[in-house]
This record gives sequence, C-alpha cells and structure tokens, in this order.
Amino acid sequence: QKEVEQDPGPLSVPEGAIVSLNCTYSNSAFQYFMWYRQYSRKGPELLMYTYSSGNKEDGRFTAQVDKSSKYISLFIRDSQPSDSATYLCATGSTLGRLYFGRGTQLTVWP
Amino acid sequence: ETGVTQSPTHLIKTRGQQVTLRCSSQSGHNTVSWYQQALGQGPQFIFQYYREEENGRGNFPPRFSGLQFPNYSSELNVNALELDDSALYLCASSFTGRTSNQPQHFGDGTRLSIL
Repeated sequence: QKEVEQDPGPLSVPEGAIVSLNCTYSNSAFQYFMWYRQYSRKGPELLMYTYSSGNKEDGRFTAQVDKSSKYISLFIRDSQPSDSATYLCATGSTLGRLYFGRGTQLTVWP
Repeated sequence: ETGVTQSPTHLIKTRGQQVTLRCSSQSGHNTVSWYQQALGQGPQFIFQYYREEENGRGNFPPRFSGLQFPNYSSELNVNALELDDSALYLCASSFTGRTSNQPQHFGDGTRLSIL
C-alpha cells in the first residue's frame, strides 16, 4: 500500500466552479499536510500548509485534514483558467521526508 | 527574496555515465532536500541535508549521493546512470530551527534524460 493515494484525474471544470481535490494516507503518524501546485515544466509551488487536523483558508483555497479517516482535501472556490495545473498533496511525520500523491491534473475552461 | 535555483535545466547523458546536479537554497533556508519525479508521478524523496550532513534518506541506492556546502547550497551526484534514472530532479529548501521548522519550497528542477 502506498503511503499517499491520489486520483490522477484528469478533472475538467468550467470557470467559476468549486473544485474538490482529495487524498488519503496510510500512516497515522503523519501530522504535516501540504498542497502544492505544479504548472507544466515547473517545480511544485507551496499552496497550503497545515499541521494536525482542521481547516485552513487562504483566499479562494481551503485545506481540510481529517486525521480520524486519514483524508486530506483542497477546495478551490470560483475556479479560474489560471488554476489549471497539477495539484499534489504531501504529508509526513516531520517536515523532513515528505510523501507525495501522484497529483491530480486540473483544467478550468473559460 | 531569491527562491530555489537549480542548474542545469536540462541534461542528456548515456547509460553508465555520472552526473552532478546543483541547487542554491532560498535565502534564509538551511536545509536542502532532493526528490525524483518520474513522468506522471509525484516526487519521491531521495535524501535531505542539514548542517552539511545527510539527515534522512529514501529508498535510493548508494550511487545516489549528495553534498551540502557551508552556504547551504547542495549537489546531487548520480553514478552509473541507468535508463530508469530519466526524470525531473527537484531540489527543495526549508528552514530547520531549534523550536520551529518550515515547509519545503521547490526549484523548477533539472530534467535528466538517459539514452
């Protein structure tokens, strides 16, 4: 079993839609959770960072962590064509070694 | 604030050769991690360097080695290159402190192709 599972998509939505991206993880010791956005031919860009359970909101983005079910979510409100990218979830028991999902490819069409 | 920079951006090698990839960490960061990202996959942890020493290693063979320098920059060396080593190699830097750590920030990577 992989440490982090993420549906690769692709996911295609119209502009203005609410996007829900999800991951599950296997290790209950993981307590750091991140979402990265990766544009084509670029490195991952840190979007959201949370420690332990709960919600965190930053503009149009909301990250949720449910440690009881080992479930990580990212919501994007009022999605824009510029949000088209691959979204990677990452987690770890420390901020050292991170375990990544394989990424979900998102396309937002005008 | 200068972000993480990696060089070269692209590299083509043949099987059996050796390669060195370079990374300059973001200003204020003292820890460097290296990841391998195969096409269509998430990054896989290779190792991390802190205080010029290896501070954790993933499931990669010893022909993958690294260095960190006093200015916190780092090198990734791969010997005896294999076709499966073709991937995007990502460097990430972060700050590790006595009371707080910060998440990793990535460079744009070096795309390595093995012929």
